[in-house]
Amino acid sequence: QLQLQESGPGLVKPSETLSLTCTVSGGSISSSSYYWGWIRQPPGKGLEWIGSMLYSGSTYYNPSLKSRVTISVDTSKNQLFLKLSSVTAADTAVYYCARRGYYTGDGYFDYWGQGTQVTVSS
Amino acid sequence: EIVMTQSPATLSVSPGERATLSCRASQSVTSNLAWYQQKPGQSPRLLIYGASTRATGFPARFSGSGSGTEFTLTISSLQSEDFAVYYCQQYNNWPQTFGQGTKLEIK
Repeated sequence: QLQLQESGPGLVKPSETLSLTCTVSGGSISSSSYYWGWIRQPPGKGLEWIGSMLYSGSTYYNPSLKSRVTISVDTSKNQLFLKLSSVTAADTAVYYCARRGYYTGDGYFDYWGQGTQVTVSS
Repeated sequence: EIVMTQSPATLSVSPGERATLSCRASQSVTSNLAWYQQKPGQSPRLLIYGASTRATGFPARFSGSGSGTEFTLTISSLQSEDFAVYYCQQYNNWPQTFGQGTKLEIK
């Protein structure tokens, strides 16, 4: 059974960089059949896609966050990473990692992590 | 960017009754539309993909329909465990976008 587990600091100061890790178990992040990505949910609000990455390096980002986001992978550790720079209170959210299919017709998110709460505050 | 609009924002329905949730796309997404169910404190869970295919684990009372720009999620006879927030998402184009959600609450 595929499992995704997010981890990282729960509190980040304004203007600093948010860094999260998603550890994948029960499957390989090196599969060419899937994108691995990040989605966030501010408190009491809806879902916002941040970006997705294929293990080989192909990456898509949300244009509204693109200037501040970097997604990367470590295939040897089966991990996905998120870095979001220059954070403000508006970046406070639960951050999820999730898997989607490679092809357009498979682009739904079929596996999600449990999410990790990140609060931006001094 | 394709904008997804869900209606209504909140839907109050009695157990055993039928619920109909709507999702509209600002341009055609063909059938590349998914629905997710999210309960309080939980991650979203894939419910419907390809506009009408039920994901593993969901009963037949859940059904999806539509194509192009208009989509519907129908729950035929609401059970207590169905009260949750439902999101639609298009994956026809990058960036993938979600609707703002419909909260299905007990009447």
